Amino acid sequence: DIVLTQSPLSLPVTLGQPASISCRSGQSLVASDGSTLLNWFQQRPGQSPRRLIYKVFNRDSGVPDRFSGSGSGGNFTLKISRVEAEDVAVYYCMQGRHWPYTFGQGTKLEIK
Amino acid sequence: EVQLVESGGGLVQPGRSLRLSCAASGFNFNEYAFHWVRQAPGKGLEWVSGITWDSGSKGYADSVKGRFTISKDNAKNTLYLQMNSLRVEDTAFYYCGKDKHGDLDSWGQGTLVTVSS
Repeated sequence: DIVLTQSPLSLPVTLGQPASISCRSGQSLVASDGSTLLNWFQQRPGQSPRRLIYKVFNRDSGVPDRFSGSGSGGNFTLKISRVEAEDVAVYYCMQGRHWPYTFGQGTKLEIK
Repeated sequence: EVQLVESGGGLVQPGRSLRLSCAASGFNFNEYAFHWVRQAPGKGLEWVSGITWDSGSKGYADSVKGRFTISKDNAKNTLYLQMNSLRVEDTAFYYCGKDKHGDLDSWGQGTLVTVSS
């Protein structure tokens, strides 16, 4: 199974400040078409997960542009340029390259 | 509008069975793979099972292999998860998600399965 390691697991951030979450993969996530199958999800308290970013850097419709994804090889990053109160959530990376799909442990973002 | 609506959860005793359903609408069900992902209370996300668009391939987490069976009915636009020999550790919210290319782009609201005597 592909192991995804997220850090940090807890992320206290001041409103208006940037935030960054790292996700490291132990194996390649590159598909046969050349795309890298690494996704980011947001799970707000009491809600189901919502995809924010797919294939490393593609933002989903309706996702604010303060969210961005980057990375290559085995290192990926989710960045929030200016944290807002509605960003309080747990963030997960997920690989869709091989079954079983696997998730990072989750990063809990809170307002400092 | 894409909708995935899970149902079938509830309280069940260890060793018993339950069948979860995921009713889909707002997209061409036949074109997508689907997955079940679960989340134990206060824990992270765990992939449970997946099925390709044509039901040609099915996969299971080691923790449920031999006990759970995934299936999809294209005529009814519905995904299923048959769960047998349930254990206390299967207690979780169960989410269905649709998948075009390793991306799980939409999820349902989840259904809670509680296994307890």
